[in-house]
Amino acid sequence: GAVVSQHPSRVICKSGTSVKIECRSLDFQATTMFWYRQFPKQSLMLMATSNEGSKATYEQGVEKDKFLINHASLTLSTLTVTSAHPEDSSFYICSAYSRNEKLFFGSGTQLSVL
Amino acid sequence: RKEVEQDPGPFNVPEGATVAFNCTYSNSASQSFFWYRQDCRKEPKLLMSVYSSGNEDGRFTAQLNRASQYISLLIRDSKLSDSATYLCVLPPALIFGKGTTLSVSS
Repeated sequence: GAVVSQHPSRVICKSGTSVKIECRSLDFQATTMFWYRQFPKQSLMLMATSNEGSKATYEQGVEKDKFLINHASLTLSTLTVTSAHPEDSSFYICSAYSRNEKLFFGSGTQLSVL
Repeated sequence: RKEVEQDPGPFNVPEGATVAFNCTYSNSASQSFFWYRQDCRKEPKLLMSVYSSGNEDGRFTAQLNRASQYISLLIRDSKLSDSATYLCVLPPALIFGKGTTLSVSS
C-alpha cells in the first residue's frame, strides 16, 4: 500500500536554530501534501497545504515565514521551522492522498526545542 | 458550531463491551468521512471510510446519518488493543475532531 515516510522521527535543538522535516511519498506521486501540528492531548491541527511547484497554502494563524514549506517534487515536501523556540515544541505530522484518495500519514516528528 | 465535534472522552470500558462514539459535523456538503485511530505519539492510521450510509469491518461499524449530521463508530467485543484515541475526519478540508479516547481494561 501507499507509504509516506517522514524524517527525522525525533529532534532536539537549541532555541534559535532551524529544523527541517522531510516527508516523502514512497510509491505514489503526491501533488498535495499536508502538514499538521499536534500538542499533547490536543487534536491534529492543519498548518498548511503543500502544493507541488507552487506556494503552500497556510491556515489562519500559522506564520508562513516561520514555517517554510517547500514542495519541489511530486514525492517530497519539507517543513522548516525557522528560529525555533520552546513554544514550537510539538509533534509534527505530514500526510498525502494516494491515487485512490486515501489519506496516509507520515510517522511524525517530535520536536523539542530547549 | 464547530465544523467537527466529537464525544468527549475518555471512555473506560471492560473487555468485551460494546462502545459507540459519535461525531457531529456542520458542513452538510461532505460526502465522505473517515475514522482514524491514533496511538499515543504516533501517526493516525485509517480505521474506516464512510461514503454512504455506513460501513462494517469485523467488530467495527461506522454509520452516517445525513439528516442529523453525525457519524458514529461502534466497536463490539472490545479488546485491550482497541485502547487508543479515535478521530473523525471531515474532507476535503481535513478537519479533525479532537478525538475520543478509549481505554479498555481487563
